[in-house]
Amino acid sequence: TQLLEQSPQFLSIQEGENLTVYCNSSSVFSSLQWYRQEPGEGPVLLVTVVTGGEVKKLKRLTFQFGDARKDSSLHITAAQPGDTGLYLCAGLVPGNMLTFGGGTRLMVKP
Amino acid sequence: NAGVTQTPKFQVLKTGQSMTLQCAQDMNHEYMSWYRQDPGMGLRLIHYSVGAGITDQGEVPNGYNVSRSTTEDFPLRLLSAAPSQTSVYFCASSYSKRVFYEQYFGPGTRLTVT
Repeated sequence: TQLLEQSPQFLSIQEGENLTVYCNSSSVFSSLQWYRQEPGEGPVLLVTVVTGGEVKKLKRLTFQFGDARKDSSLHITAAQPGDTGLYLCAGLVPGNMLTFGGGTRLMVKP
Repeated sequence: NAGVTQTPKFQVLKTGQSMTLQCAQDMNHEYMSWYRQDPGMGLRLIHYSVGAGITDQGEVPNGYNVSRSTTEDFPLRLLSAAPSQTSVYFCASSYSKRVFYEQYFGPGTRLTVT
């Protein structure tokens, strides 16, 4: 069982649709990061959230950290084919390590 | 800046063989780490280092060794390869010992053990 559970695991949508992916845990995290990974490449950091209730926006992407710092969501408005990829959340755990969720694989069809 | 580089890109090993996956970064980062990525399981930390001469175990260290003799290099050694070690391996670095900061990932090494 992973500390961070991501849902859904797979999502296939049409260009222009909105979507939300979730990252949930029963543990409290001091910070949480979201990464995007494209095929054949390493993950690239999108955002770090550190304060309960924090909302960060990155163009059409909106990230929210839960008030209790146990969960986070990523909302994409008007998805584009370029948003296709694997979205990973990661939380900081004791021992100065990151633990990752299993990821949400998003496909946006033109 | 080349960032984080990894070699080789692909490797096939037979069970019982040993090999070293190379990782180098040219950003003078203190923190370096190795992850493996398996389908549906995200990334799992194998070993990490907070500076030259200092290494520690992550979540799945068994069957792997690391050393950090310089700031730039952090090789991962497979002592006796097993099919369960078939995976994609990523090296990452961060400029701070606090992993809170952005981690830069290499392009990965795809390893198959037959």
